[in-house]
Amino acid sequence: GQNIDQPTEMTATEGAIVQINCTYQTSGFNGLFWYQQHAGEAPTFLSYNVLDGLEEKGRFSSFLSRSKGYSYLLLKELQMKDSASYLCAVRDGDYKLSFGAGTTVTVRA
Amino acid sequence: ETGVTQTPRHLVMGMTNKKSLKCEQHLGHNAMYWYKQSAKKPLELMFVYSLEERVENNSVPSRFSPECPNSSHLFLHLHTLQPEDSALYLCASSQDWSSGANVLTFGAGSRLTVL
Repeated sequence: GQNIDQPTEMTATEGAIVQINCTYQTSGFNGLFWYQQHAGEAPTFLSYNVLDGLEEKGRFSSFLSRSKGYSYLLLKELQMKDSASYLCAVRDGDYKLSFGAGTTVTVRA
Repeated sequence: ETGVTQTPRHLVMGMTNKKSLKCEQHLGHNAMYWYKQSAKKPLELMFVYSLEERVENNSVPSRFSPECPNSSHLFLHLHTLQPEDSALYLCASSQDWSSGANVLTFGAGSRLTVL
């Protein structure tokens, strides 16, 4: 089966940096995704990694190491609106995405 | 409207009722999905349709019945549900599986409560 682990909760201060780790053990690998989900809203796509290394998109960066089954999402210059759940997901075929349970990030003033 | 729209946003039903969830996408995508999201649990893939053909039925109980009449619309028909079926049901769509990342676009979900 698929196993995707990420911390349940994290708290950080406005303006700080937070790193959300994700480890996975899946039967196949065809890309890793990060989604953001605010309470009561749709998950929205943040990033996609299929090769090892760092992908940077403004204040958000995502890193992948396929050999270690490991990824992280880095959120810089935290803002109050970044308080949300962050979902790590691995695609192991053409279309099948397996998700972690999500990490709830709370940003405090 | 743009994106993926789900109706109703909230639904309360008894165990003997029959109801349907509706999903509509205005993105020109070819694949549509139903996911179940329970509190503190990972999203669970339920059904996948590609060009209106079902390609995944992930061991879902028969009390959930999907329907995809065309590539823009997806339904989830519900009957004789159990209280443990109470959850957020998310619909998603994607371009197609040959296009690189195949990013999913989600709707806001239908919050289902079974009494």
